[in-house]
Amino acid sequence: GAGVSQSPSNKVTEKGKDVELRCDPISGHTALYWYRQRLGQGLEFLIYFQGNSAPDKSGLPSDRFSAERTGESVSTLTIQRTQQEDSAVYLCASRKQGRYTEAFFGQGTRLTVV
Amino acid sequence: TQLLEQSPQFLSIQEGENLTVYCNSSSVFSSLQWYRQEPGEGPVLLVTVVTGGEVKKLKRLTFQFGDARKDSSLHITAAQPGDTGLYLCAGELNSGYALNFGKGTSLLVTP
Repeated sequence: GAGVSQSPSNKVTEKGKDVELRCDPISGHTALYWYRQRLGQGLEFLIYFQGNSAPDKSGLPSDRFSAERTGESVSTLTIQRTQQEDSAVYLCASRKQGRYTEAFFGQGTRLTVV
Repeated sequence: TQLLEQSPQFLSIQEGENLTVYCNSSSVFSSLQWYRQEPGEGPVLLVTVVTGGEVKKLKRLTFQFGDARKDSSLHITAAQPGDTGLYLCAGELNSGYALNFGKGTSLLVTP
């Protein structure tokens, strides 16, 4: 595809349920990032995948959050036992290998936990 | 830990005014980028600076990277309503490391 694609664009879930968010990066981009953005706030780093290296999970806020990436393609972010404080927009970005490359963002998944 | 601190957090000005927003850190970055995010969209890259002291201009926007590569500024001349948005700086400590974002400066330019 032409850009980073995220699905679903909106998700409303009940507290305690699990959710799975999907990101399709730009083909050929080796780096993939997940960020969380609460209303009116900046980007909070969650996790970073770079090629076949071990992911940098240092931003995951709790063990309820996990992410996987298959090779250099699709990534899924899973939130288990959702809480109301998980409500936010979850943004995915991809970058191609190389120095100083641009991060291309999807439009995000707006998650609302009720 | 927030590596990059942006200030001010919010800025509301009238069309035609000038403004500067700042991005500061105690860490040295190999590169620093500025992005702008409009409501409902993902951030979009404006510029990348890589050399200490570097100045780049993009129409009415001037970006500067500090000599020590720890800070950056964005100056907008004669702001227009179309400049409204969230301005984010993002730094890379070393090539291949995660891209760290600041919390952003939310700019509102009123006619």
